[in-house]
Amino acid sequence: ETGVTQSPTHLIKTRGQQVTLRCSSQSGHNTVSWYQQALGQGPQFIFQYYREEENGRGNFPPRFSGLQFPNYSSELNVNALELDDSALYLCASSLDIHEQYFGPGTRLTVT
Amino acid sequence: GIQVEQSPPDLILQEGANSTLRCNFSDSVNNLQWFHQNPWGQLINLFYIPSGTKQNGRLSATTVATERYSLLYISSSQTTDSGVYFCAVSANDYKLSFGAGTTVTVRA
Repeated sequence: ETGVTQSPTHLIKTRGQQVTLRCSSQSGHNTVSWYQQALGQGPQFIFQYYREEENGRGNFPPRFSGLQFPNYSSELNVNALELDDSALYLCASSLDIHEQYFGPGTRLTVT
Repeated sequence: GIQVEQSPPDLILQEGANSTLRCNFSDSVNNLQWFHQNPWGQLINLFYIPSGTKQNGRLSATTVATERYSLLYISSSQTTDSGVYFCAVSANDYKLSFGAGTTVTVRA
């Protein structure tokens, strides 16, 4: 059984640029959730995708957007990057709305 | 949204000691998970425990849903137990709300 994977591991971008982060869900899971974790804080919910539809969104601006593909993998896109977007981005997969399993994360640095 | 409070914020233990971490939450939940975040940032699932008691080796957890709290017990702590422990909950929805975490340091 393959766990949740994320790419890339690390990323450095300049303010104003756009970034795409990728997540492959665990085998058998149909739901993907994205979280942002700033240094020293707990993860904050960005949004969730269930069977390719957005199934809920946290308090993040529209420049944070996402997609889920038919194989249940997912992308997180962030436009017009700001310095405060520097964080660890975590993807979690689950079967419906049950126990969530997290990937290793993508560490984004915006300069 | 649901508020999650974890205590203590920091815990320093001598190897071999036992400890209890607490998680209080502000509303009824249908999902409660405990995680250990390793130094590289990955969240490792410890327990899925919306109610009741579970044990896994030296770790055990109890959730008293009616009183809105959960406890994580670490027995005979080892240096590899060091890290940040998070409690996360959700209520009839889709998102996990996390506490601020408890940073555990186990000294040899």
